[in-house]
Amino acid sequence: DGGITQSPKYLFRKEGQNVTLSCEQNLNHDAMYWYRQDPGQGLRLIYYSQIVNDFQKGDIAEGYSVSREKKESFPLTVTSAQKNPTAFYLCASSIGGGWGIVDTQYFGPGTRLTVL
Amino acid sequence: AQSVTQLGSHVSVSEGALVLLRCNYSSSVPPYLFWYVQYPNQGLQLLLKYTTGATLVKGINGFEAEFKKSETSFHLTKPSAHMSDAAEYFCAVSLNSGGSNYKLTFGKGTLLTVNP
Repeated sequence: DGGITQSPKYLFRKEGQNVTLSCEQNLNHDAMYWYRQDPGQGLRLIYYSQIVNDFQKGDIAEGYSVSREKKESFPLTVTSAQKNPTAFYLCASSIGGGWGIVDTQYFGPGTRLTVL
Repeated sequence: AQSVTQLGSHVSVSEGALVLLRCNYSSSVPPYLFWYVQYPNQGLQLLLKYTTGATLVKGINGFEAEFKKSETSFHLTKPSAHMSDAAEYFCAVSLNSGGSNYKLTFGKGTLLTVNP
């Protein structure tokens, strides 16, 4: 079945540590996205990538980094510079990020990160 | 600033009653419009979307939404609530982020509770 996988489902981090969240898709989508979800805040865009080897900052990129070396993969690193990283992280993909109207985004199951 | 507003962070209905979840947006041009549903600790699932054409859109699980340009609204309805509809619902709008670029902007969500 085609879809988006995120791992791990739950992740615990000590303060000062970097952690990397995995996102893989087999939908052959060009565009991929990372969102952060906090209670009552909706989804906020961290980074997005419209094509391999290219990515753009979203609304809350500080303290995060990404790479897009393969079409299928878009890992997110939460660095020690992120002051409040405890949240639910969602990865999504769409057929083409495009420079026009946005296509439908399809979401993975999420990773819940807790800082101890 | 362009925005998406979901009126009511929490809506409670009885089983069998009408479900009405409200979404308004601000945009100078008609956008693409989406409704997503999220069950606890899961990713988002697309319920329905409006792009062009017929303004009444039917989605999965008996939900539908009507795009009203004059009211800049895209409210979600279901004639008869089921217990399985209890979840959080997000309205999303593709809005111009500068030049010819568009991004998906989410409302803060509405938690739907269904009482037996």
